Amino acid sequence: AQKITQTQPGMFVQEKEAVTLDCTYDTSDPSYGLFWYKQPSSGEMIFLIYQGSYDQQNATEGRYSLNFQKARKSANLVISASQLGDSAMYFCAMRKGGGNQGGKLIFGQGTELSVKP
Amino acid sequence: KAGVTQTPRYLIKTRGQQVTLSCSPISGHRSVSWYQQTPGQGLQFLFEYFSETQRNKGNFPGRFSGRQFSNSRSEMNVSTLELGDSALYLCASSSGTGANEQFFGPGTRLTVL
Repeated sequence: AQKITQTQPGMFVQEKEAVTLDCTYDTSDPSYGLFWYKQPSSGEMIFLIYQGSYDQQNATEGRYSLNFQKARKSANLVISASQLGDSAMYFCAMRKGGGNQGGKLIFGQGTELSVKP
Repeated sequence: KAGVTQTPRYLIKTRGQQVTLSCSPISGHRSVSWYQQTPGQGLQFLFEYFSETQRNKGNFPGRFSGRQFSNSRSEMNVSTLELGDSALYLCASSSGTGANEQFFGPGTRLTVL
């Protein structure tokens, strides 16, 4: 069965510093996708970044990068130059297969990030 | 492009009642997925509809059902409500074919008294 583990319930970071949010996953499928979402207090889930299991390079999207270590089954999110608006819950998620495998995402428990001024 | 819309945003029901939630995906998207979010269980997948057919299903009792219409709008129904059904219900839309990104709506917060 697929499983996502986020071991940091809460984290603090100083504004303008970088922060790494941990995510490990478990799956026996060779093809899978890994996602990170941000959920502000408003409740809406905001897509941040995607990494496919066959992607050779780590994904990057602006200030977000995904540190993908396939052998260790980890997909950590790195946020560079933290901003006050980055304070939110962050969820790591996994989907079996590629993009045409449907929308079933398995989510971790989340990490609450607080950015200090 | 308009985003994913969900109605209503807030709902209060009593035990035993039933409820219907609605989700309108982004124009052109054919896949709609539903998730339940609670403090205790986190985010859990309910089901996914693609082109009016249920394509994936999570581990929820039969009281939870859904459907999708020809315009891709989807509804989710919960019958015989229980206190534990109180949650934020999120729907997500995607093209459904070869796309990686799922766009979420703002959610419907259901409270069961």
